[in-house]
Amino acid sequence: DIQLTQSPSSVSASVGDKVTINCRPSQGMNRNLAWYQQKPGRAPKLLIYDASSLQSGVPSRFSGSGSGTDFSLTISSLQPEDFATYFCQQADSFPLSFGGGTKVEIK
Amino acid sequence: EVQLVESGGGLVQPGGSLRLSCVVSGFSFSDHYMDWVRQVPGKGLEWVGRIRTKANSYTTEYGASVKGRFTISRDDSKNSLYLQMNSLKIEDTAVYYCGRDRRASAAYMDVWGEGTTVTVSS
Repeated sequence: DIQLTQSPSSVSASVGDKVTINCRPSQGMNRNLAWYQQKPGRAPKLLIYDASSLQSGVPSRFSGSGSGTDFSLTISSLQPEDFATYFCQQADSFPLSFGGGTKVEIK
Repeated sequence: EVQLVESGGGLVQPGGSLRLSCVVSGFSFSDHYMDWVRQVPGKGLEWVGRIRTKANSYTTEYGASVKGRFTISRDDSKNSLYLQMNSLKIEDTAVYYCGRDRRASAAYMDVWGEGTTVTVSS
């Protein structure tokens, strides 16, 4: 089974900052990785799939990269609506799994 | 509008059973694989399982913590997805979400319901 380790677990940032979140699988995998955003009391929202493809309707300030055992999500210029928790998810093999989450908080 | 609406959550005693439903609208349900994902409030996401389409014999996959206790099914004529939960444990307490797979070849969930809460307690 593939375990996903996200870092950091939380980050404090200001509007306009660049934020990068990392996701490391326990074993090398193909680029079958997604990123989700979740706000309190709401369902997750798909942002990125196939490691770097932007889901329709998602702002271009979100980008994904990586392969193998090192993936990342970058928000190029943090906006007020981006304060949320972010999860990575692997779709490379069953059982599917999620990272532990990264909370992006207002500095 | 694409919509998924879960129902059936509630309070159940340990060892009991519960059946969750997810009714969908706004897209061709029969063409999509579907998933269940759960989340303990304030904690991370846990994948529960997946069901494929009729073309793929409605085959299923499950996470280790629910395998043998939970069963996913679907009724394409009713645009409905189900999660039968048996032998429930306290640790099954969570918000349960249904999600639509973006495409068959990779299990990314591009549409989610708002969730239904299951509480397992005596």
